[in-house]
Amino acid sequence: AQSVTQPDIHITVSEGASLELRCNYSYGATPYLFWYVQSPGQGLQLLLKYFSGDTLVQGIKGFEAEFKRSQSSFNLRKPSVHWSDAAEYFCAGAGSYRLTFGKGTKLSVIP
Amino acid sequence: DAMVIQNPRYQVTQFGKPVTLSCSQTLNHNVMYWYQQKSSQAPKLLFHYYDKDFNNEADTPDNFQSRRPNTSFCFLDIRSPGLGDAAMYLCATSSPGTGVPNYEQYFGPGTRLTVT
Repeated sequence: AQSVTQPDIHITVSEGASLELRCNYSYGATPYLFWYVQSPGQGLQLLLKYFSGDTLVQGIKGFEAEFKRSQSSFNLRKPSVHWSDAAEYFCAGAGSYRLTFGKGTKLSVIP
Repeated sequence: DAMVIQNPRYQVTQFGKPVTLSCSQTLNHNVMYWYQQKSSQAPKLLFHYYDKDFNNEADTPDNFQSRRPNTSFCFLDIRSPGLGDAAMYLCATSSPGTGVPNYEQYFGPGTRLTVT
């Protein structure tokens, strides 16, 4: 069965510190992978996506993610976190036009 | 700007009183989705339309129905809302295309449903 796992439910970082949010996938073939961000009371905004090609993907708001087939991972990174990055982050995979979401990681940022 | 619009943003209904949530899109995408999202949880797919073809998830309660009168609009009807149906409802669209597919989904801002 297709699945996406986000091992960390809640992460707290200091403003200016680096960030890495983990995502692991289980698919029969390489899935299409996405990271979405959701601020409280809002919809989901796409940060970045991976379909094929370069395994290091650049997204909006200074985020990047690296696809590692050997580790079945697609971790999200940011070198310096801003207070406005506090939100819920969802990793998702798609083998078709239906998305499979991870359970999300809530990011808190300490001033 | 092309976008996904949901109205209203906040909806309060009474227990058992039918309610309709609406979604419109200017992206001309052929797939439209409805998700239910409860607090601190991932979105849960209720159903989707691929063009005019309706696809219901196996665990979506019969209480939830949907209509898609044209490409641009899609409605979520909750026939008899219960307290457990209070949630954020998200509409999304995609255009998988042909050839190299594109599975990116575009989300609306959501409708927060409160049941009293």
